Amino acid sequence: AQKVTQAQTEISVVEKEDVTLDCVYETRDTTYYLFWYKQPPSGELVFLIRRNSFDEQNEISGRYSWNFQKSTSSFNFTITASQVVDSAVYFCALSVGGSNYKLTFGKGTLLTVNP
Amino acid sequence: GAVVSQHPSRVICKSGTSVKIECRSLDFQATTMFWYRQFPKQSLMLMATSNEGSKATYEQGVEKDKFLINHASLTLSTLTVTSAHPEDSSFYICSARLGGSNQPQHFGDGTRLSIL
Repeated sequence: AQKVTQAQTEISVVEKEDVTLDCVYETRDTTYYLFWYKQPPSGELVFLIRRNSFDEQNEISGRYSWNFQKSTSSFNFTITASQVVDSAVYFCALSVGGSNYKLTFGKGTLLTVNP
Repeated sequence: GAVVSQHPSRVICKSGTSVKIECRSLDFQATTMFWYRQFPKQSLMLMATSNEGSKATYEQGVEKDKFLINHASLTLSTLTVTSAHPEDSSFYICSARLGGSNQPQHFGDGTRLSIL
């Protein structure tokens, strides 16, 4: 069975601070995909990134960066110079071929960026 | 690209009413769509996987006669909550997958269902 753990339930920062959201996953499959989604207060889920298990390169997209480490089964997400608009719930998710690539979500981390 | 539209965004109705929610992929064809339910401050719970032209696959514990899913075309899946009761009140959100099974799911804006 697959499992995604986001240990941080809520994080509160002040604007311009950097913040890292943790994600730890469990799977026995060797081929899997990791995702991050953002859910702002309006409710929709916004796709941020997909990573496959064979690509451990870190990725940077503007103020967002992701650190994938298979050795620790982690896929952490860092927001640099946070802004109020970054306030949202962030979900980490895992999909594996053995479960027909259904998404297994973590419980989410509520990030509040205060002005 | 990869826009998913969900309608209606909010429904308030009396107990016993059946409610239909539509999920459309606007700029791509989706052979597979998913329906999730989300309780306040909780994660998304997969209800069922909707495949175009075939019966939906329901997750354990989800009543298929209660939550009817129809995926009649490559761009439309519908979820009907039959004879809804207050305990069915929740946030329902659909997603559609573009391309192969390892591709990301793109989500609709969700439907907030309130049963009085």
